[in-house]
Amino acid sequence: GNSVTQMEGPVTLSEEAFLTINCTYTATGYPSLFWYVQYPGEGLQLLLKATKADDKGSNKGFEATYRKETTSFHLEKGSVQVSDSAVYFCALVLLSSGSARQLTFGSGTQLTVLP
Amino acid sequence: DAGVTQSPTHLIKTRGQQVTLRCSPKSGHDTVSWYQQALGQGPQFIFQYYEEEERQRGNFPDRFSGHQFPNYSSELNVNALLLGDSALYLCASGASYNEQFFGPGTRLTVL
Repeated sequence: GNSVTQMEGPVTLSEEAFLTINCTYTATGYPSLFWYVQYPGEGLQLLLKATKADDKGSNKGFEATYRKETTSFHLEKGSVQVSDSAVYFCALVLLSSGSARQLTFGSGTQLTVLP
Repeated sequence: DAGVTQSPTHLIKTRGQQVTLRCSPKSGHDTVSWYQQALGQGPQFIFQYYEEEERQRGNFPDRFSGHQFPNYSSELNVNALLLGDSALYLCASGASYNEQFFGPGTRLTVL
């Protein structure tokens, strides 16, 4: 089956530190990959995505590269801010004829950025 | 554009009761998916509706059922509530290639 494994949290960083959150996946096929962010008390927001191998998704200073050879999609940011404190979810979706585009999520990584 | 909206925001029920959650998709979207997010976990796919029919279902019992209306809005019904059904229920809508937009969720507490 399909699955996503994220590095366990919580992760606590000082402001302006470098962030990496690891994500690896297992999929029967060629998935599209996503990072979603969830702020306290809110739903999920799409942060970035990549639909094929070697694609780089980027948004708001965050980046992730689709690595087929290592089945990974690690999230990085060069300089985090207090406002980046949230839970980050890695996810995949497999598309095929008639597919329902079901998202499979990792368990999430809590990030806290201290001033 | 209002985005994906869900109601109610919070709900408290007791074991054995039934509950109905509602979702209005983003304008122009015709597909609605429901996810259950237990505390500290990632969302789990319940099912998806398209053209008023259930298109795909995750690993959830028949106590979980749904409906989609002609205006694409959707309901999630859960019967015979268990303590373990306490969770954040997320609705996501979509139309384009593989991108889904999530609502703020309904927090269900079962006592």
